[in-house]
Amino acid sequence: DVKVTQSSRYLVKRTGEKVFLECVQDMDHENMFWYRQDPGLGLRLIYFSYDVKMKEKGDIPEGYSVSREKKERFSLILESASTNQTSMYLCASSPGGQGSLDEQFFGPGTRLTVL
Amino acid sequence: KQEVTQIPAALSVPEGENLVLNCSFTDSAIYNLQWFRQDPGKGLTSLLLIQSSQREQTSGRLNASLDKSSGRSTLYIAASQPGDSATYLCAVRPRYGGSQGNLIFGKGTKLSVKP
Repeated sequence: DVKVTQSSRYLVKRTGEKVFLECVQDMDHENMFWYRQDPGLGLRLIYFSYDVKMKEKGDIPEGYSVSREKKERFSLILESASTNQTSMYLCASSPGGQGSLDEQFFGPGTRLTVL
Repeated sequence: KQEVTQIPAALSVPEGENLVLNCSFTDSAIYNLQWFRQDPGKGLTSLLLIQSSQREQTSGRLNASLDKSSGRSTLYIAASQPGDSATYLCAVRPRYGGSQGNLIFGKGTKLSVKP
C-alpha cells in the first residue's frame, strides 16, 4: 500500500513564526503536491514537485515556499505565518509520467492554526 | 479553465438505500477522474480512478461511470451503510493547462447514511 505521512496532525503557531510542514512518501513517487483545504473553497494547489529539487507554483503559492532535497520528502514552509493561513494542509504523491494511470494518494492532513 | 461541480452538496439517506453521487466538469480534455472519500478531519482516501478511455470502474459496492463527452461522472453506492457516511470528492486531471499532474477538485458531497 502507498503510504504518505505528514509530520503533525495538529499544529498551533503564532503570527510571524516560520512554520515547516513535512511530508514523506514511501513508494518512490516522482510527483508530490501540497494542497490546502478550506470550507467553501475546497482543495487548492499550493505547490508541486515533479522531481528532486524541482518545483512549480500552483494556484495559491503566495506566502509559501517548498523544498524537495530527497525524492521521498517534500516540505512546505510558511516564511512568516499569518492568521489567514489557518487551514487544513494536505500532502499527496503520484507515480508521475503515466498519463491516465497517474493516481494521487493523500496523507492524513495537518490542521494548522495560526494565532 | 476546468471547473468541477458536485451536486448536491449534502445528501441524507436511510441505511440500505442505493444512491448516486454526481460530478460534472467543463472541459472533456482529461487524463482521468478520481473519486475520493474524506472522513471528518482526515485526509483523502482514493476510491476509484477512471481513465479517460474507460466508461466505468467497480470496487466492491462502488461503481463509478464516466461520460467524457458530456462532462459527467457518477458514483453509485449499493446498499448504503452508516459507515459510508463521509464527504465524497471527485477530481479530474486535465490534459492541458494548469500544473503537471495536478487535480482539479469539486467541493464534495457530504453523505449521511441513517441507521
